[in-house]
Order: sequence, then structure tokens, then C-alpha cells
Amino acid sequence: EAGVTQSPRYAVLQEGQAVSFWCDPISGHDTLYWYQQPRDQGPQLLVYFRDEAVIDNSQLPSDRFSAVRPKGTNSTLKIQSAKQGDTATYLCASRRQGRDQAPLFGEGTRLSVL
Amino acid sequence: GEQVEQRPPHLSVREGDSAIIICTYTDSATAYFSWYKQEAGAGLQLLMSVLSNVDRKEEQGLTVLLNKKDKRLSLNLTAAHPGDSAVYFCAVRGNMGYKLTFGTGTSLLVDP
Repeated sequence: EAGVTQSPRYAVLQEGQAVSFWCDPISGHDTLYWYQQPRDQGPQLLVYFRDEAVIDNSQLPSDRFSAVRPKGTNSTLKIQSAKQGDTATYLCASRRQGRDQAPLFGEGTRLSVL
Repeated sequence: GEQVEQRPPHLSVREGDSAIIICTYTDSATAYFSWYKQEAGAGLQLLMSVLSNVDRKEEQGLTVLLNKKDKRLSLNLTAAHPGDSAVYFCAVRGNMGYKLTFGTGTSLLVDP
């Protein structure tokens, strides 16, 4: 079974530039998460989907961040105008339906905003 | 919302020793508990998960203990080896929804 695939692995931007991150979840996993992990901190949830529906985006900075999962499979997270404070690793995870199922994570995208 | 504290932030042990990491959580309705390992520059690798009806689970040199009365979760690595050196995170989930809340992480160093 292929794991969660994320691209790109690394991104370096100037402040004000836009960037998109792409995630391909494990086949058959209906729940998809995006987490932000600043350096030396634990992951913090940005948004998660069940199929194509957003379930919780309360921690997503809506003025600059957006996330979509149009067909309930792949997902894209976009930062419209990056700030230095957005420097972090962005992790995607997916989960199979079932109360005893844990999310499985991709390798992440490491973003540096200069 | 749920708050998860993890300790110690840093832990150094010798090869063959045990390493214990503890998390405490605040929501008594927390239903699902996981431990993840993160090596440098990598994503999170799932180590073990337990539902709230499990007090103890052992797998491949790892023991997870759950004390619901004290709202405490622990991970015990028995006979640690240098390949166990990494950052470890606990993560908890409530009974409603699928949001996972992470602890602050423990950086484990196993000296050969």
C-alpha cells in the first residue's frame, strides 16, 4: 500500500509570494488532514476533510490560507501571501474510516519564508 | 479545547536502558490515544494506538499505559537502542469528530 504522498518536499519563498502544497492520501482513506509544524514544536491542525467536505477549518488563517479537496481524494493547501511566520513543515495525513484508525502521515513540505 | 502536556522535553539514555515519556490531557471524553515517532527531516511514523477501553498495550519493545483516572498516557521503550533516537509525540482524539491534538514532543537520544 502506497503511503501519503506530498509535494514539493521543500519550498523557499520571499514574503508576499504564493505557494501551493499538494497531497495524495492513501487510497480508500476518507479523512484528510493538514497540519502545520513550526520548528521544534508539535503539529497543529489547520484543517481536515471528510471526503470533499471541510469538517474543521477553525485554525486555518482564512485571509491567506485556503484548502480544497474537490473530489474527496487529492488535496491542495495554498498560502496566498506568505509571511515569515509561516515558516514551518506542512504535514498531510489521511485516515481510514473506523474509530480505531489512526491518521498516517506523509513526509511533509518544509517551507522557508525569507 | 483539549490541552495535552508532554514531558520530559528532552531525554538521554544509554543503549539498553528504558525510556519513559508521559502525556497528560484535560478532556475526560478523550477516546483515542496514539504515539508517533519523528526522525530528523521526516514525517510522523505511527508507533501504537489504543482506544480508551485499553489500559495497557505492548508491541515490539514498546509499552503504552493509559490511566484514565489521572488522564495520563505513557510510552515506555524497553531496551532502547540508537535507532530509537528521534522526537516522540503523543496525540489524543475526542469521542466526537476526528481531530487529533498533539503533545509538545520529547527529543530522545540513545547513546551507544
